[in-house]
Amino acid sequence: SQTIHQWPATLVQPVGSPLSLECTVEGTSNPNLYWYRQAAGRGLQLLFYSVGIGQISSEVPQNLSASRPQDRQFILSSKKLLLSDSGFYLCAWSRTARNEKLFFGSGTQLSVL
Amino acid sequence: KQEVTQIPAALSVPEGENLVLNCSFTDSAIYNLQWFRQDPGKGLTSLLLIQSSQREQTSGRLNASLDKSSGRSTLYIAASQPGDSATYLCAVRYSGNTPLVFGKGTRLSVIA
Repeated sequence: SQTIHQWPATLVQPVGSPLSLECTVEGTSNPNLYWYRQAAGRGLQLLFYSVGIGQISSEVPQNLSASRPQDRQFILSSKKLLLSDSGFYLCAWSRTARNEKLFFGSGTQLSVL
Repeated sequence: KQEVTQIPAALSVPEGENLVLNCSFTDSAIYNLQWFRQDPGKGLTSLLLIQSSQREQTSGRLNASLDKSSGRSTLYIAASQPGDSATYLCAVRYSGNTPLVFGKGTRLSVIA
């Protein structure tokens, strides 16, 4: 069976510090991978998605970036965090076919102080 | 702009009641629609996926319907239980090449 791992669960970082959130998927190959952010009262916002190694599409311009160094690894990064980067970050995957379900990780609660 | 709307934002019902959650979307030419459940501080769990060619999907006490012509989907929960308390989100894929567009969810509380 397929599983998705996301860590850490919570993170408190000072403004201006770097960020690295990691997500891995097991039990499948060549998945579509996604990073979402969920802010209070604003719903889920798609940040990045990837259909293959090294292929990243950005949905929202910001100081965050994403990378996919391996088939089942997706990393969300920032060189300098802003207060507005606080939120609940969710990694998700789906099979390559577009009519497949989306499966989420357990999320990372990021607080930038 | 392609949007997904869920009303009400919050709903409280007594245990055992049947209930309906609503989702509306702006373009009837959708690819598929998915319902999710989210517990506080947790990730989303996929409940049901309805393809554009389907009218409903069922899983246990859950039934999701799709009416593309009116731009609506409903999630029916039968014999609600306190364990059903969570936020339910609806998400629409408007074309095969676009990511899901999420509603803001309905926060359901089932009172024992």
